[in-house]
Amino acid sequence: TQLLEQSPQFLSIQEGENLTVYCNSSSVFSSLQWYRQEPGEGPVLLVTVVTGGEVKKLKRLTFQFGDARKDSSLHITAAQPGDTGLYLCAGADYGNNRLAFGKGNQVVVIP
Amino acid sequence: DAGVIQSPRHEVTEMGQEVTLRCKPISGHDYLFWYRQTMMRGLELLIYFNNNVPIDDSGMPEDRFSAKMPNASFSTLKIQPSEPRDSAVYFCASSLGGQTYEQYFGPGTRLTVT
Repeated sequence: TQLLEQSPQFLSIQEGENLTVYCNSSSVFSSLQWYRQEPGEGPVLLVTVVTGGEVKKLKRLTFQFGDARKDSSLHITAAQPGDTGLYLCAGADYGNNRLAFGKGNQVVVIP
Repeated sequence: DAGVIQSPRHEVTEMGQEVTLRCKPISGHDYLFWYRQTMMRGLELLIYFNNNVPIDDSGMPEDRFSAKMPNASFSTLKIQPSEPRDSAVYFCASSLGGQTYEQYFGPGTRLTVT
């Protein structure tokens, strides 16, 4: 079983501050995805990273895939209350359509 | 396009009763996944289907759980008999497959077994 460890589990920051959360594993993944989940809703896909070392930007969110394809980070610049949510990372195995999910980073942005 | 549809959104039942959760995947998606989410264990894969055929049911906790996909547009997850420890949010997700394996989730069914 591939395990994805996300840290920190919980993070509370003031509006306008920057934050970084991490997703780490001892396994290599063919691709890695980040989802955001809001209360009472299902996870919503934010981004997929495929190439080791890849960096993708989505407005104020920057996602990086580790060179060895075992880890990833999510950086939020000038956080807004709308960024509040549970951020889940999920790794895909080669030739297998199932995803391994981490337990998530709960982010709270205080106005 | 409509996303993944799940029903009911909330279900409260007594221990020992049968519970059936329903899912309609996104049209054209070949893969369908059932997950369970709890605070303690996070998001766990229960079972997934490819072209209506169950591929991996190793996450199904016990024989009390069963899942079917009679056609490409409908799937059910049944718990019989239900127990309080089954209380959780159950999600259905669908995917086109391919090399990036991106999944699209429904809104979930919150199950409470008393």
